[in-house]
Amino acid sequence: DGGITQSPKYLFRKEGQNVTLSCEQNLNHDAMYWYRQDPGQGLRLIYYSQIVNDFQKGDIAEGYSVSREKKESFPLTVTSAQKNPTAFYLCASTSGPGTSGGLNTGELFFGEGSRLTVL
Amino acid sequence: QKEVEQDPGPLSVPEGAIVSLNCTYSNSAFQYFMWYRQYSRKGPELLMYTYSSGNKEDGRFTAQVDKSSKYISLFIRDSQPSDSATYLCARSLYNFNKFYFGSGTKLNVKP
Repeated sequence: DGGITQSPKYLFRKEGQNVTLSCEQNLNHDAMYWYRQDPGQGLRLIYYSQIVNDFQKGDIAEGYSVSREKKESFPLTVTSAQKNPTAFYLCASTSGPGTSGGLNTGELFFGEGSRLTVL
Repeated sequence: QKEVEQDPGPLSVPEGAIVSLNCTYSNSAFQYFMWYRQYSRKGPELLMYTYSSGNKEDGRFTAQVDKSSKYISLFIRDSQPSDSATYLCARSLYNFNKFYFGSGTKLNVKP
């Protein structure tokens, strides 16, 4: 089935360690996003990418890094520079405008999320 | 000013009640409006999507957009305990580059 797969679902990190969260989609979507969700704060955009080998910072990019070497993959690295990394991380994708076939409504599909806890 | 403002709740209603969830937004550009439902520890799933003023129905759910007052609403008729979740409103600009989310309203439907 088509969808977005995030892994791991739960991750524990010691302070000072970098960790990488995986996001893979088989929806043939061009645009992919990473959001952070904290209680009572909704979704905050970390990074997004509209095409392979290109990405832009979102509202809270400090302490995070991404890569987009393949259309289907958009991994997020939480670096030791991120002061408060404990959160629920969501990856999403959309086909965007101008895509032939499939949905072209701007609907944003989400993965199941990865919960990162810093010990 | 946040792009989308949403009452965080929590909102508690008895089973069978009509639920009204509301958001306001600040940008007047041509855009799309969405409502997502998020169960605990899960990713959000799209419930309703619209781009025009007026109502859009899907089963027990009705999305309403009032562009003159920059107000979007989600109505749930005959609410069920399975509707207990956090509801997120969102908007995106015409070019779909970015999506803006409200903080979410937590709904509890009591049996």
